[in-house]
Amino acid sequence: AQSVAQPEDQVNVAEGNPLTVKCTYSVSGNPYLFWYVQYPNRGLQFLLKYITGDNLVKGSYGFEAEFNKSQTSFHLKKPSALVSDSALYFCAVKNNQGGKLIFGQGTELSVKP
Amino acid sequence: EAGVAQSPRYKIIEKRQSVAFWCNPISGHATLYWYQQILGQGPKLLIQFQNNGVVDDSQLPKDRFSAERLKGVDSTLKIQPAKLEDSAVYLCASSLGTGAHNEQFFGPGTRLTVL
Repeated sequence: AQSVAQPEDQVNVAEGNPLTVKCTYSVSGNPYLFWYVQYPNRGLQFLLKYITGDNLVKGSYGFEAEFNKSQTSFHLKKPSALVSDSALYFCAVKNNQGGKLIFGQGTELSVKP
Repeated sequence: EAGVAQSPRYKIIEKRQSVAFWCNPISGHATLYWYQQILGQGPKLLIQFQNNGVVDDSQLPKDRFSAERLKGVDSTLKIQPAKLEDSAVYLCASSLGTGAHNEQFFGPGTRLTVL
């Protein structure tokens, strides 16, 4: 069965510092991995995805994620955090047979000035 | 390009009442999804449509939930009768197709409170 784990309920970062939001996954076959962000009272907004190719994926708003097959991880990163990055972040996975998208429980990112 | 539209944005009902949610996907998107997001959790797929056909409804509580996409565009999700545990945000999403690489685009959601 497919699953996603986001081990941190909350991540606190000072503005200007690098940020990492962790995600590990379990899937049969090759994984397709996604990061979404959710602002208060808004729907989920697509940030980036890994399908195949380079392990480092670049996405919207300066975010990037690194796919690590041996560690089954897909951590979200940003070199310099902004206060406006404060939101709820979801990692999601599906297998390459087109199975349903499975979401993690979310990580609340708080960036303080 | 217009995004996924949903209405209403908020709904408060008593338990055992009925409620319906509406979704209009992005133009040209053949695949439509309904998710339930309970507070503190990630979204959980309820039902997936490809055009007007159901692809996956394995997690839809069919004794009380129903959904349709009659003309392959707009969709409605209905709950009848509602229970307290149905309190959640109901998200609609759409994608170009069912291919695994297709990202899903989400609407703003409908926040349902069942009293």
